Amino acid sequence: GQNIDQPTEMTATEGAIVQINCTYQTSGFNGLFWYQQHAGEAPTFLSYNVLDGLEEKGRFSSFLSRSKGYSYLLLKELQMKDSASYLCAVMDSNYQLIWGAGTKLIIKP
Amino acid sequence: IAGITQAPTSQILAAGRRMTLRCTQDMRHNAMYWYRQDLGLGLRLIHYSNTAGTTGKGEVPDGYSVSRANTDDFPLTLASAVPSQTSVYFCASSDRDAGSYNEQFFGPGTRLTVL
Repeated sequence: GQNIDQPTEMTATEGAIVQINCTYQTSGFNGLFWYQQHAGEAPTFLSYNVLDGLEEKGRFSSFLSRSKGYSYLLLKELQMKDSASYLCAVMDSNYQLIWGAGTKLIIKP
Repeated sequence: IAGITQAPTSQILAAGRRMTLRCTQDMRHNAMYWYRQDLGLGLRLIHYSNTAGTTGKGEVPDGYSVSRANTDDFPLTLASAVPSQTSVYFCASSDRDAGSYNEQFFGPGTRLTVL
């Protein structure tokens, strides 16, 4: 079966760095996405990885290892507005997204 | 309008009633999707459409139907609502011609409660 695993909840301090991990087992792989979702709002796109390595975009970076079925999202210089859920999703062989349940990130002052 | 709109924003519905959730996009995306999001579960695909005139079943299609008469609109119908269909419903769209990147853009969601 297809499976995306990520921690349910994480807590971090404002100004710090946090890494949110995602492991996956899917039928085929056509890229991995990270989305951010604030409470009561729609998911919004953060990053896309299809090749191994690190993609950096401002305070956010995303890493992929296809051989390990593993990705992480790295958030630096945390701000209170980063409090949200972070969703990992893998595009399978049919170009459909398989979603993890999301990681709720709580930022404390 | 810009992006994707959904209507209604929220709805309370009696079990057994028929309900259509509306979704419209103005980005001329060829692909559209309906998801439901339940606490503790990831987004689950209900139905999708890769292009106007075609639809396909996702992971949880039972009790739902869709149509895609044109590029912009993708309504989702619950023929006879049941309490287990209480959820937040998101419509999304993407440009599949952009290649495998295929980033999905989401509407604001419809919160549906079936009593």
